[in-house]
Amino acid sequence: DSGVTQTPKHLITATGQRVTLRCSPRSGDLSVYWYQQSLDQGLQFLIQYYNGEERAKGNILERFSAQQFPDLHSELNLSSLELGDSALYFCASAKKGGAYEQYFGPGTRLTVT
Amino acid sequence: GQNIDQPTEMTATEGAIVQINCTYQTSGFNGLFWYQQHAGEAPTFLSYNVLDGLEEKGRFSSFLSRSKGYSYLLLKELQMKDSASYLCAVRDDKIIFGKGTRLHILP
Repeated sequence: DSGVTQTPKHLITATGQRVTLRCSPRSGDLSVYWYQQSLDQGLQFLIQYYNGEERAKGNILERFSAQQFPDLHSELNLSSLELGDSALYFCASAKKGGAYEQYFGPGTRLTVT
Repeated sequence: GQNIDQPTEMTATEGAIVQINCTYQTSGFNGLFWYQQHAGEAPTFLSYNVLDGLEEKGRFSSFLSRSKGYSYLLLKELQMKDSASYLCAVRDDKIIFGKGTRLHILP
């Protein structure tokens, strides 16, 4: 158990819908990272927050957005969902902004039908 | 462009040694990571290299050559539980992961 929690564990929704994925980092960690993992693309970095501020941006679509709240939990919002958005979404946390050791949560498996 | 290459699959025998290579071409470099990921589970951190050379941690070692854009992960005394995917990742201003190497261990 990494200490990072993600909810929900599974999510099934229809195309065009909007969903919110939630992540609580390990106690004391200030950074939260979001990743998307699909079979053909591997693990793709989406976005990083550090202490409430956006720190780095990866291949995040405009239909996706995220934020980190004052209590340091983070939410990833996915809208206008497409079939291709079906994937495993991981959240990871780390102590500092540039910290190298990230602790991954168990992931949320999103299925868009 | 940004590119990280690692073999798709490798097979080794229990008790043996295996080396998983990773080559990268990125616009910047602030460190290279190796993660282990069992099927259906989250990645777990194995190692981090920012300077050239070998870092040893128990049965696992990781090597980096920044001038060659090359790293390898060495696994010794292989155990069946080492069957997993091994992900190489490079950090410049963001984090880029390779597609992973699926390692199969034969008894």
